Amino acid sequence: QITLTQQAESLWISPGERVSITCRASQSLLYTDGKHYLSWYQQRPGQTTKALIYHASVRTDGVPTRFIGSGSGTEFTLSIEHVQPEDFAIYYCLQTLKSPFTFGSGTKLEIK
Amino acid sequence: QVTLKESGPGILQPSQTLSLTCTFSGFSLSTYGMGVGWIRQPSGKGLEWLANIWWDDDKYYNPSLKNRLTISKDTSNNQAFLKITNVDTADTATYYCARMYGYFDYWGQGVMVTVSS
Repeated sequence: QITLTQQAESLWISPGERVSITCRASQSLLYTDGKHYLSWYQQRPGQTTKALIYHASVRTDGVPTRFIGSGSGTEFTLSIEHVQPEDFAIYYCLQTLKSPFTFGSGTKLEIK
Repeated sequence: QVTLKESGPGILQPSQTLSLTCTFSGFSLSTYGMGVGWIRQPSGKGLEWLANIWWDDDKYYNPSLKNRLTISKDTSNNQAFLKITNVDTADTATYYCARMYGYFDYWGQGVMVTVSS
């Protein structure tokens, strides 16, 4: 199965700063259709899990432009520019290229 | 508006079978490419994908749960189901269902399940 590694368990930043969360896959997530099957999700207490990015770099409807997905092959990054108070949450990457679908272990964004 | 809501027994004993229901609205599981997945999360831990069912009744399972999982659907009533046999305390978690249309774009709030004797 494909393993996704999110090295950072926690990241401490101040509101207004920029942060990058990385996700490394054990094999390429590029499919023959030219798309990467890597998506990013946000979990906040008391809220439903929210999809932020799919196909590595496409923002889902309504997601603020400060959320930027990038990367290719096996290395992916979720960047958040000018972090807002509501962005302090846990972020997961997910690969849906091959079953079993697998999540990264999660990165918690914490206020410095 | 897409919504999903999970329901389950709340608490059950080791060795019993866990039956979960996902009731959804705003989409049809008969639409080409559509799927519903089940994901779980023990308290304070990460997400684990369990199973997916697709519009054409194809099914994917997480092999780490071996043959304990069965996923099914009732398209007419907009429901998907998951059964986990022979549960033990390690199955204690919040269970989520989510719509999959390329990725998990909509999630339910989750249902907490506790396995305890």
